[in-house]
Amino acid sequence: SAVISQKPSRDICQRGTSLTIQCQVDSQVTMMFWYRQQPGQSLTLIATANQGSEATYESGFVIDKFPISRPNLTFSTLTVSNMSPEDSSIYLCSAGDSNSPLHFGNGTRLTVT
Amino acid sequence: AQSVTQPDIHITVSEGASLELRCNYSYGATPYLFWYVQSPGQGLQLLLKYFSGDTLVQGIKGFEAEFKRSQSSFNLRKPSVHWSDAAEYFCAVGGGNDYKLSFGAGTTVTVRA
Repeated sequence: SAVISQKPSRDICQRGTSLTIQCQVDSQVTMMFWYRQQPGQSLTLIATANQGSEATYESGFVIDKFPISRPNLTFSTLTVSNMSPEDSSIYLCSAGDSNSPLHFGNGTRLTVT
Repeated sequence: AQSVTQPDIHITVSEGASLELRCNYSYGATPYLFWYVQSPGQGLQLLLKYFSGDTLVQGIKGFEAEFKRSQSSFNLRKPSVHWSDAAEYFCAVGGGNDYKLSFGAGTTVTVRA
């Protein structure tokens, strides 16, 4: 099973700034996703990170706010732009292949002040 | 649209007692079903999965789950809980070619001595 590393593990940021979260997988994977877990809530899918093309965003999430890159089959980044306190959440990267379950990184705990 | 319902927000169980967590799903075709566990301050760890075949699946840490198509359920069980099983448990459903997962709201398990 894939091992997924996320950086940073946590950060405290000021409103109006941006933070880029990195996700590294130890093997090539077909699918990579970004999820958000707001305090005390379940996970919500932000977008599918597509290798070599623009990410596919879910309803309620837009590229200007959450730009995503995926330059190859093992790496992706999520940027949280122009942050506000409402963006304080855990952001999780997941990865997998067909017939292989999705595994998750340990998440990035973001606090916006 | 796919969705997951976890009817129990919080369950308290004595150490050594059995545990059952309920999960009901809505999905238009044959679902892929997952149970994840999240310990405080940690990411998500996959406990078990159902893709096809035997409807009783075994997972890690002594957990098992049974897929019942007629009831649209995928309940998680453990015969004897340990204090280390105290955590948040999430049921998720996905399928098709895109592997997007929809998560339930989660069930918090407290283990008392």
